[in-house]
Amino acid sequence: KAGVTQTPRYLIKTRGQQVTLSCSPISGHRSVSWYQQTPGQGLQFLFEYFSETQRNKGNFPGRFSGRQFSNSRSEMNVSTLELGDSALYLCASSLARVASYNEQFFGPGTRLTVL
Amino acid sequence: GEDVEQSLFLSVREGDSSVINCTYTDSSSTYLYWYKQEPGAGLQLLTYIFSNMDMKQDQRLTVLLNKKDKHLSLRIADTQTGDSAIYFCAESFWDGGYNKLIFGAGTRLAVHP
Repeated sequence: KAGVTQTPRYLIKTRGQQVTLSCSPISGHRSVSWYQQTPGQGLQFLFEYFSETQRNKGNFPGRFSGRQFSNSRSEMNVSTLELGDSALYLCASSLARVASYNEQFFGPGTRLTVL
Repeated sequence: GEDVEQSLFLSVREGDSSVINCTYTDSSSTYLYWYKQEPGAGLQLLTYIFSNMDMKQDQRLTVLLNKKDKHLSLRIADTQTGDSAIYFCAESFWDGGYNKLIFGAGTRLAVHP
């Protein structure tokens, strides 16, 4: 079974631009979560999508948005990029079974650099 | 609110045991996890423990859970240079009808000869 894939792996943008990152979950996984990882703030939860609906959201400004398609693939978008948005963006998928152990499987991440 | 705390750094000599500690706040946790992140990679699940267990052993890894103190630890026996990585503790609990996962900031483990 293929793992979680994220594209692109590396991205360089300038302040004010917008960016779209893509995540393909493991086949059969319906939940996709996004995280931002920076040296100063650690791993911070952005949002989670389940069956095309955002069901949980972290404390990030509205410039960060996402969506999930019917095939469970997910995209996240960051508009009006700021220098502080430079980070490793990780995507994770899970089966999201009710009342059960749910391992999150992580992709390798997209390294975004904002100049 | 929910919070998971870990010490940021740990340095050990090759062959010694490493103990990484974590505290969490939500008493309704269902599962607690340890993830490992190697340089340039995503997070990989190392092991997990159900909240009604006290201990779990998996080869060189031993997880201890003290529910009263909300304290979780990961012991790595015979630590090797390949164990150098960032280790994340995470707790999951029910929130609004589904499992929510909260991560700690990660502990950077450095193994030196």
